Amino acid sequence: AQKVTQAQTEISVVEKEDVTLDCVYETRDTTYYLFWYKQPPSGELVFLIRRNSFDEQNEISGRYSWNFQKSTSSFNFTITASQVVDSAVYFCALSDRMNYGGSQGNLIFGKGTKLSVKP
Amino acid sequence: ETGVTQTPRHLVMGMTNKKSLKCEQHLGHNAMYWYKQSAKKPLELMFVYNFKEQTENNSVPSRFSPECPNSSHLFLHLHTLQPEDSALYLCASSQGTSGGSTYEQYFGPGTRLTVT
Repeated sequence: AQKVTQAQTEISVVEKEDVTLDCVYETRDTTYYLFWYKQPPSGELVFLIRRNSFDEQNEISGRYSWNFQKSTSSFNFTITASQVVDSAVYFCALSDRMNYGGSQGNLIFGKGTKLSVKP
Repeated sequence: ETGVTQTPRHLVMGMTNKKSLKCEQHLGHNAMYWYKQSAKKPLELMFVYNFKEQTENNSVPSRFSPECPNSSHLFLHLHTLQPEDSALYLCASSQGTSGGSTYEQYFGPGTRLTVT
């Protein structure tokens, strides 16, 4: 069965610290997609990144970086020099052929990690 | 308007009321989704529509009734709800799937529903 685990329920850091949010996934499929979303207090989920299982290159976008390791089934997210505006709940999600075959890319979400960045 | 919009943003209803949630996407997408987000559970997929056809009903009680008149609009009709249905209801859209690929979903701001 597919599963996404975000073991960190809440993280609190002080501004300018680096922080890593962990994501571990389970799937029997060899083709799958991983996503990260940010949910600020306003409620709207904001798409951050989509990565397919054949692309293990790490990605950097400004202060955000993602470390995809198939060997450990992890897709971790690092924020460098965190800012107060980074405070939000962050969700990792998985989609594979087992659940999207006829169901158009259904996402399985982790429970989320609440990040609080203090000034 | 851009992106995905939802109305109303907040709704309080009694258990005997009938109300509807509305979602509209301005992204030219083919697939639309309803999710439920409650305090102690992960995001739960409720319904999926692709090209106006319902492709997923994730064991949702019949007191929730979706409607998708076209690829840009999605409704969730509510009747005789229970207090445990109080949650944030999120709408999303995506390009759907093509050639085995999966596209990211874009979410609306949600409707905060309280059932009294």
